[in-house]
Amino acid sequence: DGGITQSPKYLFRKEGQNVTLSCEQNLNHDAMYWYRQDPGQGLRLIYYSQIVNDFQKGDIAEGYSVSREKKESFPLTVTSAQKNPTAFYLCASRLGADGYTFGSGTRLTVV
Amino acid sequence: EDKVVQSPLSLVVHEGDTVTLNCSYEVTNFRSLLWYKQEKKAPTFLFMLTSSGIEKKSGRLSSILDKKELFSILNITATQTGDSAVYLCAVEAGLFKAGTASKLTFGTGTRLQVTL
Repeated sequence: DGGITQSPKYLFRKEGQNVTLSCEQNLNHDAMYWYRQDPGQGLRLIYYSQIVNDFQKGDIAEGYSVSREKKESFPLTVTSAQKNPTAFYLCASRLGADGYTFGSGTRLTVV
Repeated sequence: EDKVVQSPLSLVVHEGDTVTLNCSYEVTNFRSLLWYKQEKKAPTFLFMLTSSGIEKKSGRLSSILDKKELFSILNITATQTGDSAVYLCAVEAGLFKAGTASKLTFGTGTRLQVTL
């Protein structure tokens, strides 16, 4: 079945550590996105990418980095520079003018 | 800065009731408005609206867009406990530019609880 796979579902990180969240899609979608969701808030865009080897900052890119070496993969690294990384992270993809498809998310907790 | 506001923030209704969820927006170069249902994890797509006055319908759910008033509503009739979720409204905006991905701006969501 086609879809978006995010891993891991739950992730714990010590302060000062970098962690990488995985997002893989087999939908042959061109555009991929990373959103962050905090309790009581809507989704906020971190980074997005239209094509391989190209990506743009979203509204809250500070403390995050991404890469798009393959069409299917768009990993997000949460760096130690991110002051408040505990959140629910959602990856999405889109083909043309169709609606966005979301992964099931990764819940990151800083301990 | 693009803005999407949803109301109410939360709502508790009895099974069988009809509910209306609201979404207003202020964006530059509107392209489309989308509704999603989020139960525990991944938001699931409900509707995409691009034209004013045309109702989209799927079972007990329906939605309509008013581009003059910058507003959309999501109606759910004969609510069931399975409708309990957070409903997210998102607006896609920006000039179309070849090779550039569009962006969605989300509202904070409306948390709907349907009780027996």
